[in-house]
Amino acid sequence: EAGVAQSPRYKIIEKRQSVAFWCNPISGHATLYWYQQILGQGPKLLIQFQNNGVVDDSQLPKDRFSAERLKGVDSTLKIQPAKLEDSAVYLCASSSDYEQYFGPGTRLTVT
Amino acid sequence: DAKTTQPTSMDCAEGRAANLPCNHSTISGNEYVYWYRQIHSQGPQYIIHGLKNNETNEMASLIITEDRKSSTLILPHATLRDTAVYYCIVCPSNTGKLIFGQGTTLQVKP
Repeated sequence: EAGVAQSPRYKIIEKRQSVAFWCNPISGHATLYWYQQILGQGPKLLIQFQNNGVVDDSQLPKDRFSAERLKGVDSTLKIQPAKLEDSAVYLCASSSDYEQYFGPGTRLTVT
Repeated sequence: DAKTTQPTSMDCAEGRAANLPCNHSTISGNEYVYWYRQIHSQGPQYIIHGLKNNETNEMASLIITEDRKSSTLILPHATLRDTAVYYCIVCPSNTGKLIFGQGTTLQVKP
């Protein structure tokens, strides 16, 4: 089966610009997650969707980050405006039960 | 959420067993022990999980102490491709809320 797809793989922007990441989960997976992984640290959960509803967004900086999952399939994560400290790898994962399947991530560099 | 403590790094000789320890002394009765690993420049990969019984699959074995305060992940015959950061995580099985720590960097050497 096809894995979790993410695009773009790399993105470089200047601070105060906006950026969007896209994720296509494994077909049939109801749960979708976005994680932020800063260099040298473990991934940090930003938001969890169950179908198209938000289950947990307690760690999402809502003043600048937003995410949506229209129709309960694909999802987008947006940052507006970006700050230097947003430089990280953004990982998307999906699951149907206990195992989370991760995509390759999008590496964001904010200059 | 229970926290875990893992050594920062470990080395293992290729072909030998790699034993990765994890302490989770504040684990709750409904929390499972999960192990994921992350190979350089890739997303994390699920390895195994368990509640209180020892578990084995095609990748590894998980040994959980009787009091559930610690566990050990065993890679029976480590290869160079097993070089990665290994994360031990505790969470209730039905939440999917994985809280990753720093993990253990395992270096498998020829």
